[in-house]
Formats: sequence, structure tokens, C-alpha cells
Amino acid sequence: QSALTQPASVSGSPGQSITISCTGSSSDIGGFNYVSWHQQHPGKAPKLIIYEVTNRPSGVPDRFSGSKSGNTASLTISGLQAEDEADYYCASYTSSRTIEIGGGTKLTVL
Amino acid sequence: EVQLVESGGSLVQPGRSLRLSCTASGFTFGDYAMSWLRQAPGKGLEWVGFIKSKTSGGATEYAASVKGRFTISRDDSKSIAYLQMNSLKTEDTAVYYCTRGYRDLGYWGPGTLVTVSS
Repeated sequence: QSALTQPASVSGSPGQSITISCTGSSSDIGGFNYVSWHQQHPGKAPKLIIYEVTNRPSGVPDRFSGSKSGNTASLTISGLQAEDEADYYCASYTSSRTIEIGGGTKLTVL
Repeated sequence: EVQLVESGGSLVQPGRSLRLSCTASGFTFGDYAMSWLRQAPGKGLEWVGFIKSKTSGGATEYAASVKGRFTISRDDSKSIAYLQMNSLKTEDTAVYYCTRGYRDLGYWGPGTLVTVSS
């Protein structure tokens, strides 16, 4: 069982916005600004889409945004597109100098 | 262009050892920490461990599930990170990924499959 809790699945229609939550504790998400989000399409390697809570690597569309409040981080995808259908994982540095990974959320674009 | 390529995955019997390599290009390897993660078939991602850069002390950290069995090392002259896996168990069966960095997991390789089975 992951220390970071994500919903197992979310869904939305093209053009809509969705938010995926990632809940941890003061020992991980709440204690550090080292939350990242990773997108994984079936059969492919994960890809970083958000780092340090809010930052997007170059090449990642600005439809993807990250935020944090207390012990919960969130990934919001606006203007949902068919190619956004994938699994999404949150990750956080911890006070034990380890990395916790969320259980993953399957995004379905209806 | 940053590229990471894992190699060394194979079918191995329980209790045996295996060493994975992660060959990097497109950046100054010695300036970055390197991490290993894995994904069992049909399951989510699991962090395995990381090694910091030598300039940051070269420290290593491991997940509890592999501590004492797995060792991460690096050869900056060859731009390669290694994952030495000893006393392998069936539950170590997974695709193993290397990534650049440790707090951000910035770039991922395509992964290499390790199957532990008799």
C-alpha cells in the first residue's frame, strides 16, 4: 500500500478539466516542495510532467498544472484531450530521504 | 538530447544475482543523482533507490523492500549507473527504470525486464 493516496480512476470529456489528488503527510508532501507528477501511456515509460509542485518541463503543454495545499498535492489537466488518457503517478521526497510514489490514477477521456 | 538506456534484464532463478546498467548521454552525468524505480506486471511504480552525485557526497538510499540486497553504484567516467541485485525473489519481477535526479525523477529510460522464476 502506497504512502501517497491517489484516486484509482478519474474521467472527463474532451475539453473539460479534471483534477487528480495525491494525499500524503507532513513527512512527505507537507514537508517539502519536491512533488512531481508522471504520465505513463500503456506499454511506455513514465514521463515527468510536473516537478517541484508547480513547474512544467519544457515541452509539456500548459494545460497541465500542479499545486499543493497542506499534505495534498493536485494535478489539474484543463482542455482535456484524447491523448491525455494515461496513468498518472505522484511522487514526493520524504523526511526519511526516500521517495514515496502514489498508487497511480487511470485517466479515461470519455 | 538526454537519453537513458537500461540493460541487463533477463530471466533469473530465485536467490541468484543480476546487475543492471543505465547508460546515459546528452548531459554531464557526474553532475546528477541517478535513481532506480520498478514496475511489477500490471502494478504501479515503486521507488528502489538512488545515488547522489560525487560532488554531493555520493550517498545512496534504498527502499525497505530491497535494502541489504540491492546496491546502486556509478561510474562517472563511463556515464553508467548500476543496480546490483542479490538474493533475488520472485516479487522482484518487474520492469526496472533508471531516472535522472532523485527528488524530481526528471528523465526516464525505456526500462529493462527482470523476471525472477525457477
